[in-house]
Amino acid sequence: EAQVTQNPRYLITVTGKKLTVTCSQNMNHEYMSWYRQDPGLGLRQIYYSMNVEVTDKGDVPEGYKVSRKEKRNFPLILESPSPNQTSLYFCASSPRGIPYEQYFGPGTRLTVT
Amino acid sequence: GQQLNQSPQSMFIQEGEDVSMNCTSSSIFNTWLWYKQDPGEGPVLLIALYKAGELTSNGRLTAQFGITRKDSFLNISASIPSDVGIYFCAGQLRYNNNDMRFGAGTRLTVKP
Repeated sequence: EAQVTQNPRYLITVTGKKLTVTCSQNMNHEYMSWYRQDPGLGLRQIYYSMNVEVTDKGDVPEGYKVSRKEKRNFPLILESPSPNQTSLYFCASSPRGIPYEQYFGPGTRLTVT
Repeated sequence: GQQLNQSPQSMFIQEGEDVSMNCTSSSIFNTWLWYKQDPGEGPVLLIALYKAGELTSNGRLTAQFGITRKDSFLNISASIPSDVGIYFCAGQLRYNNNDMRFGAGTRLTVKP
């Protein structure tokens, strides 16, 4: 089954404790991206990757890192999480050339206390 | 970054009624998209619009790309309970560039 998977689905952590949210897709897509979703703000793009070893900042990259060492994986790293990073995070992937046809993962709800 | 103004924020309707929601922006978009998000899941693409004036249907859903390229609307006809969810508009500012903006969403509730 074609899908985007994220882990973990839920995470409660404390300020400053490094964490990684994994994202994997099995559709051989070249584009991958990370969004955060906050009430009243819709989806805002954090980082995106157009191919292996190619990443770019989105709308709200501060406090986040990403890496794209393999086509299928695009982990999101929070080196020192803060409470304002409490949010619902979505990973998405899309075929080359049509980045708007994005397939979204199920989401990761992160709470930073 | 440039966000989209989506309205209404929420709608409560009776099963069988038609629904209309829209998105506007001060910027010009090359692509308009409409997504639906069910509780606990990620958004799913419903309709993609590629040129000004385009009117596209997907079952009971109809969406149009505004002629000024700064707005779009989505209509749902004869609503059913499974239409419940959050509907998002999204726009691609530059063609072939992963530069997308999302509206804040319209939460739709359908009463049987």
